[in-house]
Order: sequence, then C-alpha cells, then structure tokens
Amino acid sequence: EPEVTQTPSHQVTQMGQEVILRCVPISNHLYFYWYRQILGQKVEFLVSFYNNEISEKSEIFDDQFSVERPDGSNFTLKIRSTKLEDSAMYFCASSAWGQGANEKLFFGSGTQLSVL
Amino acid sequence: RKEVEQDPGPFNVPEGATVAFNCTYSNSASQSFFWYRQDCRKEPKLLMSVYSSGNEDGRFTAQLNRASQYISLLIRDSKLSDSATYLCVVRSNSGYALNFGKGTSLLVTP
Repeated sequence: EPEVTQTPSHQVTQMGQEVILRCVPISNHLYFYWYRQILGQKVEFLVSFYNNEISEKSEIFDDQFSVERPDGSNFTLKIRSTKLEDSAMYFCASSAWGQGANEKLFFGSGTQLSVL
Repeated sequence: RKEVEQDPGPFNVPEGATVAFNCTYSNSASQSFFWYRQDCRKEPKLLMSVYSSGNEDGRFTAQLNRASQYISLLIRDSKLSDSATYLCVVRSNSGYALNFGKGTSLLVTP
C-alpha cells in the first residue's frame, strides 16, 4: 500500500524557535492535511490544503502556523515561534478526492514534537 | 457539548468475545462517519466507513442511527490483534476536516 512519509520522526526544540515538519504525501493525491495529537488527548484537525491553497483551518491553526507545498512532492508545516503547548504528535495525511463519504485519508506515522 | 463523544473504556475482553462500542455526535447535519483504529503512539488507520443502512466487513459491523445521532461498532470473535484504541470520526460540514472522538480502548486477553 502507498505511504505518506514524514520526517523527522522526533523533533526537539527550544521554546520560541521555528520548526518545520516535513511530509511527502502519496504521489497522485490532491488533498493534504495536518492533524495533531497531544499526549492522552484526541486527534485534532489543523488544516487542509488543495490546489496550493488552504481549504479549511481550525482555531488551533493561528498566525504562528503556516503550510506550504514548495515543490511537487513535499508538504510542510511551519511553526514560527514554538510554545510549550505545541508539544504533540503531528500527523500529515493525504487523500485523492477530499470530501467523499468513502474518502480514505492516509496518515503518515507522525512527527513527535517536543518543545522545551 | 463535545462534537464526538465516546466511552473511553478500557474494555477488557477474552479472545473470541463480542464487544460493542458506541459513539454520539452533536451535529445533526453531519453526513459522513467512520471508525478508525489507532495503535499506541501510531497513526490512525481507517477501519471502515459507516453507512446509514449499516455495513459489515468481516468480523466488524458498523451501525448509524441518525435520529439519535449515534454510531456503533461491533467486533465479533475478538482476536488479540484487535487490541487498540477505536476512534469514532465524523466529517465536518465543510467536508474537509475530520472530527475525532477521544477513542475507546480495547484490550483482548488470551
């Protein structure tokens, strides 16, 4: 089965530093997403991205966050000035069509971000 | 009220048992529903979509009750490998975001 690849698997940073989390979605997919999961809590939607634009974002996705698809394969999440509460597992996902009832999201294995 | 609510469990059942999980959702206009499975510290993986008429995939049966805003998952003949957290998921009305429940933990014991 095709895979979504995320790097790095673990990222440790100091509060206030910028981090970039990287993802390579499945090659023929058109819709890309970032989700996060704080330890012991539910998976939370951050943002969806289609046709080089944000299609939806949550309240969590404030001005400190940005996404980019710098080339034909990578999809990145940038946090400009990390806070302690940004510590979480960040999952990238992709899908072929985006909105169908049968639409399957493929998740990457995640990047564990630890802000010290 | 939380968008998607689940009993966190844990449910401890012996191999071969039948176990059922329930979930309620708050938005009556929701159209798409799913069950995902998450192993410890791993990514969520789609188990099955949930259709209005109910649907079955091997040992797994999902039901949707729109009037009660209630979704269920039934696992028959539990295997040790079924041990995981089961996530009830409802797609947002915009169509892009998935709203996850906190999950129900299942432990199947020998």
